[in-house]
Amino acid sequence: QQQVKQSPQSLIVQKGGISIINCAYENTAFDYFPWYQQFPGKGPALLIAIRPDVSEKKEGRFTISFNKSAKQFSLHIMDSQPGDSATYFCAASMKNTDKLIFGTGTRLQVFP
Amino acid sequence: DAGVTQSPTHLIKTRGQHVTLRCSPISGHKSVSWYQQVLGQGPQFIFQYYEKEERGRGNFPDRFSARQFPNYSSELNVNALLLGDSALYLCASSPGPRNQPQHFGDGTRLSIL
Repeated sequence: QQQVKQSPQSLIVQKGGISIINCAYENTAFDYFPWYQQFPGKGPALLIAIRPDVSEKKEGRFTISFNKSAKQFSLHIMDSQPGDSATYFCAASMKNTDKLIFGTGTRLQVFP
Repeated sequence: DAGVTQSPTHLIKTRGQHVTLRCSPISGHKSVSWYQQVLGQGPQFIFQYYEKEERGRGNFPDRFSARQFPNYSSELNVNALLLGDSALYLCASSPGPRNQPQHFGDGTRLSIL
């Protein structure tokens, strides 16, 4: 199964709060899991990525948590800011390809 | 350093016409991938090229074709345009052929009338 399922579809968070976006996959051959941020009229920008040999990766306010046994991974945005308001996509790819399979996206709105 | 650059930024065509979209990768990147993003959805993989050879193809009809040049830039061609081809076409580049961080350009917005 090549799909990556992403939830929620939309998320509203108050400034300073934690935003959490979840993704799930079926294909155990996936071994690279990036997150992208996309603003209107722009291309997706790589935020952070993880491989299945680690359970967590943190870069600044962004953290990926990875649960290999559950085949789930999530993005946590700490201290969410209005400037974080964008659409976030999770993605996955297999070992011998650059082909990214994207989730359906989460529209995040952070209010002051 | 310059990121991935795509041209044109916007394009309007009519049904049945042909279109060519262009992409210049980040300097030093040898792999280019093309994606189609329909409004409100995630990008869908179309092609990957590495060292001028096709390394992957998504589930798109033969009307879609691409090539990569010796300087690693790339073109995406779409023939016999349909209304459903209206989308944002994204190019991504990475250093190598497999499973490396991909960086996207801002895309070409293609509208079919």
